[in-house]
Amino acid sequence: GAGVSQSPSNKVTEKGKDVELRCDPISGHTALYWYRQSLGQGLEFLIYFQGNSAPDKSGLPSDRFSAERTGGSVSTLTIQRTQQEDSAVYLCASSAVAGGGQYFGPGTRLTVL
Amino acid sequence: QQQVKQSPQSLIVQKGGISIINCAYENTAFDYFPWYQQFPGKGPALLIAIRPDVSEKKEGRFTISFNKSAKQFSLHIMDSQPGDSATYFCAGRLGGQNFVFGPGTRLSVLP
Repeated sequence: GAGVSQSPSNKVTEKGKDVELRCDPISGHTALYWYRQSLGQGLEFLIYFQGNSAPDKSGLPSDRFSAERTGGSVSTLTIQRTQQEDSAVYLCASSAVAGGGQYFGPGTRLTVL
Repeated sequence: QQQVKQSPQSLIVQKGGISIINCAYENTAFDYFPWYQQFPGKGPALLIAIRPDVSEKKEGRFTISFNKSAKQFSLHIMDSQPGDSATYFCAGRLGGQNFVFGPGTRLSVLP
């Protein structure tokens, strides 16, 4: 079956612009995570959605970052007024149950010039 | 302490050798420890995982050894192959849903 998909695969933007990153989780997976991975670094947790519960936003680095998940499926991560330090690979993962094994998408590589 | 420490940062092993990656944690609330394998340009893929009430788990050439009292766990890759060359991340789960990842180990297996 289809895995987690993310779009776009690459995004180059200018400092100060807004960007939207999309994640399509595996069908039926109730949990969805966003992570950020800087070059050569580990994964930094950003936000977590579980079913219809309020999302865990504790990892969002600033109020320029927001995310939503519509209909319990597709999620969009929005970064407003992008800064150069936002350049990273943004990874989405889903799991069938809360806290279960995560399946990652290929990521979106964001470059802020 | 919510950190998961991981070493070494990079590892070079000859084909057929054993690759060993070590991780350590402080918070005893971690209740599940997965390992992920990541190839360049791809997302991490779940490789193997263990719960703290088990001392060892083996899946094919991959084995996790877990030492609960020392709060350490390690990944052993037996008969390492060039195709195993990737970055490996250990992680710990907190609070049932939050995952904390180690910084990663870049493994190179020489042919």
